[in-house]
Amino acid sequence: DQQVKQNSPSLSVQEGRISILNCDYTNSMFDYFLWYKKYPAEGPTFLISISSIKDKNEDGRFTVFLNKSAKHLSLHIVPSQPGDSAVYFCAASARRSGTSYGKLTFGQGTILTVHP
Amino acid sequence: DTGVSQDPRHKITKRGQNVTFRCDPISEHNRLYWYRQTLGQGPEFLTYFQNEAQLEKSRLLSDRFSAERPKGSFSTLEIQRTEQGDSAMYLCASIRFQVLGPSYNEQFFGPGTRLTVL
Repeated sequence: DQQVKQNSPSLSVQEGRISILNCDYTNSMFDYFLWYKKYPAEGPTFLISISSIKDKNEDGRFTVFLNKSAKHLSLHIVPSQPGDSAVYFCAASARRSGTSYGKLTFGQGTILTVHP
Repeated sequence: DTGVSQDPRHKITKRGQNVTFRCDPISEHNRLYWYRQTLGQGPEFLTYFQNEAQLEKSRLLSDRFSAERPKGSFSTLEIQRTEQGDSAMYLCASIRFQVLGPSYNEQFFGPGTRLTVL
């Protein structure tokens, strides 16, 4: 039961252009969403998050958009840089679920390659 | 380095052997999570602790797996009678949870322990 899905295994983008990574979820209890970046041989690093009461959150070059009705979120990176090349994971949490607070459900990841 | 640390970083073992991994969370973090990541997949939740109490275990955590956090600081994850299907990256993450505090979910992850079962 894949509750969080990233349907694009990989994405290739030219330096300076926009990268758009997509994520879909099925569990209506999810109310907090996060994006993590992962380099080889390292643990995931938090990038940006959004609460379900918002539809957009921006941090520098990174913007996350949330469409609750479609159960879809996306991460925009503008402009893309070669150093952004990594695996990006979408994750979701159901903060209202009491003791399960903080447990993250991850998507399968999207490999982003930014070409110089 | 005040981040989450894990030891060892790599472990190769033969099928049937027992292995133990250690995680040291960020010092003021009271919640500690264990995840497992297999090739081509995202991390999957295994279990978590608040202080020394183990509050939830995933059905992925078979009877061969046991986790402890005896003093509410570091945690260990033991796998008994390892199987080839246990080969994965085992990730530890921590967070400071406050009932009346800000509701942040940004877990801090360690570098992981890569287990290979031959």
